[in-house]
Amino acid sequence: GESVGLHLPTLSVQEGDNSIINCAYSNSASDYFIWYKQESGKGPQFIIDIRSNMDKRQGQRVTVLLNKTVKHLSLQIAATQPGDSAVYFCAENEGFQKLVFGTGTRLLVSP
Amino acid sequence: DGGITQSPKYLFRKEGQNVTLSCEQNLNHDAMYWYRQDPGQGLRLIYYSQIVNDFQKGDIAEGYSVSREKKESFPLTVTSAQKNPTAFYLCASSISRGATEAFFGQGTRLTVV
Repeated sequence: GESVGLHLPTLSVQEGDNSIINCAYSNSASDYFIWYKQESGKGPQFIIDIRSNMDKRQGQRVTVLLNKTVKHLSLQIAATQPGDSAVYFCAENEGFQKLVFGTGTRLLVSP
Repeated sequence: DGGITQSPKYLFRKEGQNVTLSCEQNLNHDAMYWYRQDPGQGLRLIYYSQIVNDFQKGDIAEGYSVSREKKESFPLTVTSAQKNPTAFYLCASSISRGATEAFFGQGTRLTVV
């Protein structure tokens, strides 16, 4: 079936480094892709999204890249900080009906 | 403040009992969702509702029930038929058509004792 998945379960980086979190998707009909950040014991928080007709979108310290040819999505975090430590989920929006989430990547930032 | 509120934050249930988790939003969103999250895993969709008085089963609806009598409320009942109910439950809402973003509540951690 259609699914959204992540390549790496855990990513460890040093403070100040750039982080790249990857995601593969299989539903070529998805309209939007969304990255969420979830801190321990809390609900996911929206980080950034990208439409299927875009290749790149930038936010504050974050960039999302979409490669539709290989059905790949990535989240880049510049100058990673300890406060960025969390689990990051990508999700695809199958129209407005529901979001389909990947299993998540845990980002660990060492001082 | 606009937002989505789940209550309670922690809930304990005895085996064989039904329990209802509350989810309220004042964002005027049409769509609401319930997800289940197990430790170290992603979110799995239980039920979702696109409009008042309508709801659809998600991927893991067995043992759960919902209602959508009001736009702002989407309570989830975990019934005794749910064999492994201990988990973190997340409610979310989004604008219906053209929705790209879902807003999440802070979650309810349910433990069966």
